[in-house]
Amino acid sequence: KQEVTQIPAALSVPEGENLVLNCSFTDSAIYNLQWFRQDPGKGLTSLLLIQSSQREQTSGRLNASLDKSSGRSTLYIAASQPGDSATYLCAVPFILNYQLIWGAGTKLIIKP
Amino acid sequence: NAGVMQNPRHLVRRRGQEARLRCSPMKGHSHVYWYRQLPEEGLKFMVYLQKENIIDESGMPKERFSAEFPKEGPSILRIQQVVRGDSAAYFCASSPSPWASGIRDTQYFGPGTRLTVL
Repeated sequence: KQEVTQIPAALSVPEGENLVLNCSFTDSAIYNLQWFRQDPGKGLTSLLLIQSSQREQTSGRLNASLDKSSGRSTLYIAASQPGDSATYLCAVPFILNYQLIWGAGTKLIIKP
Repeated sequence: NAGVMQNPRHLVRRRGQEARLRCSPMKGHSHVYWYRQLPEEGLKFMVYLQKENIIDESGMPKERFSAEFPKEGPSILRIQQVVRGDSAAYFCASSPSPWASGIRDTQYFGPGTRLTVL
């Protein structure tokens, strides 16, 4: 069964810390992997998309890595800020599948 | 270029009523996907449609749920005889095609419709 798992489910850190969110997937046959941000009661904001041929993508303080062989991706957030508080979701389209398979998310709280 | 539009943003229904959720894809996009997010859970795929065709409805509940994407107008997700368990956020996404230059194209998401069943 094709599944996406995110660990931890929740994370609370002081402002200014660097942190890593984890996403694992059960099948290495993927087209890409995408990280999203979701604020409470709001929609989805796309953060980074890594194609299957890529190893990492960077956008500002965010860096996402992809290791297909081990079925893992990490989202690194540098110098965290209270405004980074949100739920972070990773989503994967597996080969021969139209749908995105989603992790349950990591709820991140950055304490001022 | 407007993004994916969904309406209504919030919908309240009583048990047994019908809910109609609308999704207007981005201009030039002919592929629409619906996802459901139950409270405190991740998103789950429901259905993938192209204009006038259902391509993959493997995530749709067998009863009460239907979806369409007519030649003209928005995509509609219809839930008949709603129950409390249907309360969720329903997200629509669109893409110009599943593929762009040989690689999997991204899906662009709307703001969602939050359905509450009383």
